[in-house]
Parts: sequence; C-alpha cells; structure tokens
Amino acid sequence: QKEVEQNSGPLSVPEGAIASLNCTYSDRGSQSFFWYRQYSGKSPELIMFIYSNGDKEDGRFTAQLNKASQYVSLLIRDSQPSDSATYLCAAYNYNQGGKLIFGQGTELSVKP
Amino acid sequence: EADIYQTPRYLVIGTGKKITLECSQTMGHDKMYWYQQDPGMELHLIHYSYGVNSTEKGDLSSESTVSRIRTEHFPLTLESARPSHTSQYLCATRDRDSYNSPLHFGNGTRLTVT
Repeated sequence: QKEVEQNSGPLSVPEGAIASLNCTYSDRGSQSFFWYRQYSGKSPELIMFIYSNGDKEDGRFTAQLNKASQYVSLLIRDSQPSDSATYLCAAYNYNQGGKLIFGQGTELSVKP
Repeated sequence: EADIYQTPRYLVIGTGKKITLECSQTMGHDKMYWYQQDPGMELHLIHYSYGVNSTEKGDLSSESTVSRIRTEHFPLTLESARPSHTSQYLCATRDRDSYNSPLHFGNGTRLTVT
C-alpha cells in the first residue's frame, strides 16, 4: 500500500463546475498535507496546505481534512480551463524524518 | 518566497559523460532536496540535505551524488550518464522542518541521455 494515494485520473469536468480531488494516506502520524499544482513540463507550485480537521478555504480552493478517515481533498470551485493540470497531494510526518511524501497525482482536465 | 535557480534548464548529453546539475537558493534555507520525476509519473526523493556538510540518500536509489559545501548551493552529479538517467530533476527547499513549512521547487532540469 502506498503511503499517499490519489486516483491518477484523468478527471474531466466542464468549465464552471466544482472539481473534487481526493487523497488518502496510510500513516496516522501524518501531521499536515500539502496540495501542489503541476502543469505539464513544469515544476510543482504550492496551492495550499491543511493540518486541522475540517475545511480551509483560499479563493476558489478549499482543502478538507478528515483525520479519522485518513482522507484529504481539494475542491476547486468555478473550474477554469487554466486549472487543467496534475494535482499532487503530499503528507508531512515528523517521525519519518520530516520528509514530504507525495502521491502519484491526479490529472484534471477542465473542458470549455 | 524562496528563489531557487536550477541550471541548465535542458541538457542533452551522450552516454558516459559526467554531468553536474546546479541548484542554488537565495533564502538561506537549511533544508534542500533533489527529486526525480519521469513524465506523467510521481516525484521520487533521491537526495536531501539538512545543512552544510549534511547529505542523505532519499527513498529512490540513485547513482547520482550530491554535496553541500555552502548553504545556498546543492549540486547533483552523475559520474557516468546512461539513458536510464533520462528524466526531470527538481530541486526544492524548505525553511524549517515543520508541519506548516512547504517545499518550494525550482524550475527543474530536463536531462536526456542519448
């Protein structure tokens, strides 16, 4: 079992819809979770991170964390074609040397 | 915001050549990392450093080596490049080992070994 798992997709949504990206993790000791966006051929760029149960909003993005279910999600409201990219989920665990463990990423395609 | 510079941006080189991928940062971050990523695939940590004279191997075995003589500089070296080394190499930094400290990535070096 991978430590951080994401559906590879592609996830296709129409422009203006809500895109929901999901991530599960196996180590209950993970303290925080980071969402990155990566355009094809580019490096990952940070969208937001979350460490408390519940929701955290930043503009059109909402991160959700449920530690009991070991589940993290990223919602993108009013999806735009420019949101088409691969979204990476990463878990931070101090007890694993403080490294970020990445999932394989979910490819999102927003159709005009 | 971390400023991380990777050079070269693209490199095409023949088998057997020695190459060094450069990574420099201007923010004074102690923690630096090298990731390898094949197209459409996940990121794999190959080396990391928590400060000057500190280097560790990552989760993915790599034939490359790294050094950390100065805080701002974390070069990666391949003594003898092979086609299997063809990949994208991403350098990243963090300012501290903490739950609320994200990784910041450079623009990457896309390496092709012919």
